Amino acid sequence: DIQMTQSPSSLSASVGDRVTITCRASQSITSYLNWYQQKPGKAPKLLIYAASSLQSGVPSRFSGSGSGTDFTLTISSLQPEDFATYYCQQTYSSLYTFGQGTKLQIK
Amino acid sequence: EVQLLESGGGLVQPGGSRRLSCAASGFTFSSYAMSWVRQAPGKGLEWVSVISASSDSTYYADSVKGRFTISRDNSKNTLYLQMNSLRAEDTAVYYCAKAWSGLGAFDIWGQGTMLTVSS
Repeated sequence: DIQMTQSPSSLSASVGDRVTITCRASQSITSYLNWYQQKPGKAPKLLIYAASSLQSGVPSRFSGSGSGTDFTLTISSLQPEDFATYYCQQTYSSLYTFGQGTKLQIK
Repeated sequence: EVQLLESGGGLVQPGGSRRLSCAASGFTFSSYAMSWVRQAPGKGLEWVSVISASSDSTYYADSVKGRFTISRDNSKNTLYLQMNSLRAEDTAVYYCAKAWSGLGAFDIWGQGTMLTVSS
């Protein structure tokens, strides 16, 4: 199975900060990498698909990059509503897997 | 409105069985692969299973293989997860999700249904 490792596991930042979360796959997944945002008590929401494509309706301050095994999610200027947990997910293998999550907290 | 609505959660004893359902509306259900994802209390997301649009392919996480069965009824726009030999570690919120064609990304999620496995 393909393992997905996110870093950091948690992150404290302030409104207006630029934030980067990384995700590493245990083998190449080309660009089959997606990013989700989850707020407490809510279902996850798709932010980025195919490593760098912005899902419809998602603010442009979110961006994704990478290919192969190393990927990043960047939030260019944090807004109050962005404090949440973020997950990466690979869909290269038929056995889809998620990263362990990155909790973004207010500093 | 595009919507997924899970049902069937509740309290079940260890070793017991349960079937979850996910009713879809607002899109052509029969055209998309569907998946189940779970989240144990206070933990991260765990992918459980996926089924192709026509039911010809199914895949399972190692943690549930041999105990869980995913299925769908395209005439009823409904996805199912039959869970047998349940364990305490299966306690979680179970989400169904629609897989975006060709990319696998889950673009639509249900609100989740809580399953508790306890005596």
